[in-house]
Amino acid sequence: DVKVTQSSRYLVKRTGEKVFLECVQDMDHENMFWYRQDPGLGLRLIYFSYDVKMKEKGDIPEGYSVSREKKERFSLILESASTNQTSMYLCASRGTGYNEQFFGPGTRLTVL
Amino acid sequence: EDKVVQSPLSLVVHEGDTVTLNCSYEVTNFRSLLWYKQEKKAPTFLFMLTSSGIEKKSGRLSSILDKKELFSILNITATQTGDSAVYLCAVVASVDSNYQLIWGAGTKLIIKP
Repeated sequence: DVKVTQSSRYLVKRTGEKVFLECVQDMDHENMFWYRQDPGLGLRLIYFSYDVKMKEKGDIPEGYSVSREKKERFSLILESASTNQTSMYLCASRGTGYNEQFFGPGTRLTVL
Repeated sequence: EDKVVQSPLSLVVHEGDTVTLNCSYEVTNFRSLLWYKQEKKAPTFLFMLTSSGIEKKSGRLSSILDKKELFSILNITATQTGDSAVYLCAVVASVDSNYQLIWGAGTKLIIKP
């Protein structure tokens, strides 16, 4: 079974702090994604990566950056956290040529 | 602009009822449509639909795609309280040599005992 893990299930940070969310997958997938999920808005794509050191902006990249130094690891960075970034963050991975994405358990981030 | 619209946004029924959830889409370069179930954690995969008119079935859940009218439905028969969840629909679109997922907002389903 594909396993996607995220570094934290719950995280509480203060406004202005730098926040790192890490995602690791063990299926040698080329493609990895970061989403945020808010009530009534569904899943919105923040950034995605099709290969190591490669990144592309999704629909809502403002206020975020990402890092993909190794194939199995995709990190989401909030350079200066703000209260409107309080959300559930979901990481996913997908093998090239396949439609299905596999999701991690999610990180619920609260910015005070 | 590509979009996926799910309806209703929320639904409350009694155990034993049958429910139908809708997903309509306007997407260029359509490849397939996916249904996910999300309880308290991450979404879990239910179905992938690529061809019109072919029903996919798993226990009490079934789904079908209409590529002419651009929609899919997810049916759940004899509902149970464990079916309470948010059901997400996503359309896979080809972009150059890669894929993108366009997500609906989800339907929140509550099954009352």
